[in-house]
Amino acid sequence: EVQLVESGGGLVQPGGSLRLSCAASGFTFSDHYMDWVRQAPGKGLEWIARIRNKANSYTTDYAASVKGRFTISRDDSEKSLYLQMNSLKTEDTAVYYCARAYSRGDYFDYWGQGTLVTVSS
Amino acid sequence: DIQMTQSPSSLSASVGDRVTITCRASQSISSALNWYQQKPGKAPKLLIYAASSLQSGVSSRFSGSGSGTDFTLTISSLQPEDFATYYCQQSYSTPLFGGGTKVKIK
Repeated sequence: EVQLVESGGGLVQPGGSLRLSCAASGFTFSDHYMDWVRQAPGKGLEWIARIRNKANSYTTDYAASVKGRFTISRDDSEKSLYLQMNSLKTEDTAVYYCARAYSRGDYFDYWGQGTLVTVSS
Repeated sequence: DIQMTQSPSSLSASVGDRVTITCRASQSISSALNWYQQKPGKAPKLLIYAASSLQSGVSSRFSGSGSGTDFTLTISSLQPEDFATYYCQQSYSTPLFGGGTKVKIK
């Protein structure tokens, strides 16, 4: 059974940092592109970051809203995905989901349960 | 950049109704369009991929159509468990979601 379990969310002050983790199981993690998608309270879904697999040189993409502040990474040996979030702003408050991308990012077929990040003073 | 416009933003319907949600891309995205269902407090669930392919385990009352710039998600006979928010997402380029359509009970 495919499982994605996020952790690391919490309350952080504006300008602070936080590192999210996503533990994967039930599939060959190293084969897949992995993504982070967030959802601000009462708002829609916003894709924020992607990391490709080793075969595609672990290249990354970011949404403009987080580029330069957030860094996506992965550890295939640990079957884990990470999101390092720096210079956090109040508008980064959201539930953060990790998602498995099918094939070359065609669609998101499995999602974690999400972890809430609150940026507030 | 590609823009995704989903409509309506919300609708009210009754059990048994046929419901149609549309998604329009600002440029052609071929068939690289997916649909998700999200219930409150839950992660999104994939319903339809590649515009018209039904994800395994998803009820056949859900269907998708379209290509190029105009796409449709249809629920043939709305069931109580279908009251939720639906999102389209293009995968032609950097992933982008539509604004969502909330399906409410009439």
